[in-house]
Amino acid sequence: ILNVEQSPQSLHVQEGDSTNFTCSFPSSNFYALHWYRWETAKSPEALFVMTLNGDEKKKGRISATLNTKEGYSYLYIKGSQPEDSATYLCAFHTGANNLFFGTGTRLTVIP
Amino acid sequence: NAGVTQTPKFRVLKTGQSMTLLCAQDMNHEYMYWYRQDPGMGLRLIHYSVGEGTTAKGEVPDGYNVSRLKKQNFLLGLESAAPSQTSVYFCASSYWGQPTDTQYFGPGTRLTVL
Repeated sequence: ILNVEQSPQSLHVQEGDSTNFTCSFPSSNFYALHWYRWETAKSPEALFVMTLNGDEKKKGRISATLNTKEGYSYLYIKGSQPEDSATYLCAFHTGANNLFFGTGTRLTVIP
Repeated sequence: NAGVTQTPKFRVLKTGQSMTLLCAQDMNHEYMYWYRQDPGMGLRLIHYSVGEGTTAKGEVPDGYNVSRLKKQNFLLGLESAAPSQTSVYFCASSYWGQPTDTQYFGPGTRLTVL
């Protein structure tokens, strides 16, 4: 059982604010890190998959960075909008048919 | 293209009753997974399948059985439900099981065991 930690557990931001949160994972035996976006009453949807140290991915106002040597990834949202309200999950892949998920960061964007 | 579907959406069982949850995918994916999601915990893998006719244990397999008789379907069975199995169950699928493969999730089944 691997420990994947996400912080903070939840946060509230004003519309237009930029924000970021963290995913920490074991730095050994790294194969890939996934970020998912999970809206209430819907299914988790993939945002990014990252594999290389120093990798940076971007989709619209959302971006993510990866540091495999120290075992963390940051997710950034620029100019938060109410539709960004969701739980953001990260998941660590060990290469053995198993994704280990963090508990998520629940983001609420206040109009 | 429905993606990943799950039935039922909700179910209430009494302790000791049995039930089967059905997951179906129409994306021709080889790999399918069953997770459970509990408050304060991340999604945890129960069982998975790497292809038709195969199943394997995940992180929390006890009390569950699975079958993959057809490529598009993955069934999760509870033979004798216990209150500890109250949870939200998610099915997912992926083309292969490569570390970079995206898993596509179903909408979930909320199960309460009284």
